[in-house]
Amino acid sequence: QKEVEQDPGPLSVPEGAIVSLNCTYSNSAFQYFMWYRQYSRKGPELLMYTYSSGNKEDGRFTAQVDKSSKYISLFIRDSQPSDSATYLCAMSARQSGNTPLVFGKGTRLSVIA
Amino acid sequence: DAGVTQSPTHLIKTRGQQVTLRCSPKSGHDTVSWYQQALGQGPQFIFQYYEEEERQRGNFPDRFSGHQFPNYSSELNVNALLLGDSALYLCASSLSSDGYTFGSGTRLTVV
Repeated sequence: QKEVEQDPGPLSVPEGAIVSLNCTYSNSAFQYFMWYRQYSRKGPELLMYTYSSGNKEDGRFTAQVDKSSKYISLFIRDSQPSDSATYLCAMSARQSGNTPLVFGKGTRLSVIA
Repeated sequence: DAGVTQSPTHLIKTRGQQVTLRCSPKSGHDTVSWYQQALGQGPQFIFQYYEEEERQRGNFPDRFSGHQFPNYSSELNVNALLLGDSALYLCASSLSSDGYTFGSGTRLTVV
């Protein structure tokens, strides 16, 4: 079993739809949870960052973490064609910038105008 | 823009050859990590450099080696290239108290 599981999709939705992206993980040591967005031919860019269980909202994006179920989600409201990208979940045991990240496979999202 | 710069952007090599990829970190960052992203996969941690030394290493063979220079820039070297080494190689810089900034990567094709 991989440490982080993520459905690779692809996922195709109409503009304005609510998108739900999910990851599960097996390592109980993970405390910090991130969502990255990766456009084609680009590196990942950090979208959301959460610590432990709970919700965090930033504009159209909401990140949820349920540590009891080892399950994290990213919701995108009022999706736009510019949201079309690959979304990667990532996790680490510590917050610092010297702790390696463990990534999911990424989910490819297309938002159709 | 003082983000992470990687060179070259694309590279084609033959099996058995050696390759060197380069990374300049974001201004102010002192730690450089390298990740391999195969097609359709998430990035996998190769190793991390800090104060010119390899501090941590992922599950990659010794064919993968690196270096960090006094100006914090870094190189990734891969020897005896295999077809399976074809991937996007990402450099990420950071401070111990901060998160990662990724470069756009070097796409390596081994033929």
